[in-house]
Amino acid sequence: ETGVTQTPRHLVMGMTNKKSLKCEQHLGHNAMYWYKQSAKKPLELMFVYNFKEQTENNSVPSRFSPECPNSSHLFLHLHTLQPEDSALYLCASSRREDTEAFFGQGTRLTVV
Amino acid sequence: GENVEQHPSTLSVQEGDSAVIKCTYSDSASNYFPWYKQELGKRPQLIIDIRSNVGEKKDQRIAVTLNKTAKHFSLHITETQPEDSAVYFCAASIPDNTDKLIFGTGTRLQVFP
Repeated sequence: ETGVTQTPRHLVMGMTNKKSLKCEQHLGHNAMYWYKQSAKKPLELMFVYNFKEQTENNSVPSRFSPECPNSSHLFLHLHTLQPEDSALYLCASSRREDTEAFFGQGTRLTVV
Repeated sequence: GENVEQHPSTLSVQEGDSAVIKCTYSDSASNYFPWYKQELGKRPQLIIDIRSNVGEKKDQRIAVTLNKTAKHFSLHITETQPEDSAVYFCAASIPDNTDKLIFGTGTRLQVFP
């Protein structure tokens, strides 16, 4: 265990569904990240939060909506996704950008 | 924008041989370069990292070298073992106020017994 927990581990959703991914860390880290991992782009940065403030949105479509209510929790709200959004979504946290990032186990998302 | 390139994308070696993976980065201000190993079905985990004030770092069979002038860094694994088989990612920090860590595209290493 790295101290970063993601739920659910697997998710199958239809294109009209709304779902949320959750990430939790109690490592005292200030930065939290969402990455998308697929065969096309092995580890693609989506969003960065630093002290609960979003500092990076890497040109992610609006059907992905992040939320960081506090420095320990990070959500990724999903709605009207496309089949090509099927991927492994990894959450990570770090003290800052120049320290080790700890990854969660990921959520395997399948959009049908 | 910031970019990290990684080569090769796949690498096959015989057990006991050495493996080298290379990365280049675009932002000269990057100052932290970690390497992650991701075994099949598992999360990426840090195996070694290097900071810009150091040229080389070694940890048992793993070493990393950094050439700041050329903006490239490499991972060296000696005496490879089958359990080294995994996907390896390099990364470079972007020291602005966004706290970004940009990853390379990964190298799938296969060590044959």
